[in-house]
Amino acid sequence: DTEVTQTPKHLVMGMTNKKSLKCEQHMGHRAMYWYKQKAKKPPELMFVYSYEKLSINESVPSRFSPECPNSSLLNLHLHALQPEDSALYLCASSLRGGTSGRTYEQYFGPGTRLTVT
Amino acid sequence: DAKTTQPPSMDCAEGRAANLPCNHSTISGNEYVYWYRQIHSQGPQYIIHGLKNNETNEMASLIITEDRKSSTLILPHATLRDTAVYYCIVRDPGGATNKLIFGTGTLLAVQP
Repeated sequence: DTEVTQTPKHLVMGMTNKKSLKCEQHMGHRAMYWYKQKAKKPPELMFVYSYEKLSINESVPSRFSPECPNSSLLNLHLHALQPEDSALYLCASSLRGGTSGRTYEQYFGPGTRLTVT
Repeated sequence: DAKTTQPPSMDCAEGRAANLPCNHSTISGNEYVYWYRQIHSQGPQYIIHGLKNNETNEMASLIITEDRKSSTLILPHATLRDTAVYYCIVRDPGGATNKLIFGTGTLLAVQP
């Protein structure tokens, strides 16, 4: 299985809602990532988890709350979002989170397209 | 990580080779060149990476100049399904984070 799956594919939520995005991989990867991509822009890193521990938070607002309950699952909890948070949210995984001397390819899911109304 | 420069867009005829250039004039000795692509409304897809030597896999070839200041991704026989944004990324294996920092990329349009 060489796939990263993301659910839901599309999500529409109001500014007062609480929702969650889910990402799953069964490749034995120990690093997982959340990226945000606005229309016609490149993906931007939000969070990195390595061995189920948060290793990078790219100064993301607290209305986005990541969670890594186990090595296969990554969640992104959303609360009190703004319309400008509407974007494609991409999850990725890699074998490891990076060690001195080598880098690892990242495998991306298809993304969740989020619309905040 | 070093910065990369790519043309914003390129066209290629179906069946011909697509040559996508990337300039990374500030690359340091231990930084790798990675290529990803993103087909419309999908997640990015890893293509290939290299350090100094030219590399080839089932998807593409990567040619890195001897001074390592630029590289070219070659898709030998482009098809309509290769229409995508292609990102050239320079990465330092010395970091502990495995971060990917995407530039603006090149939109390759394969024409029938």
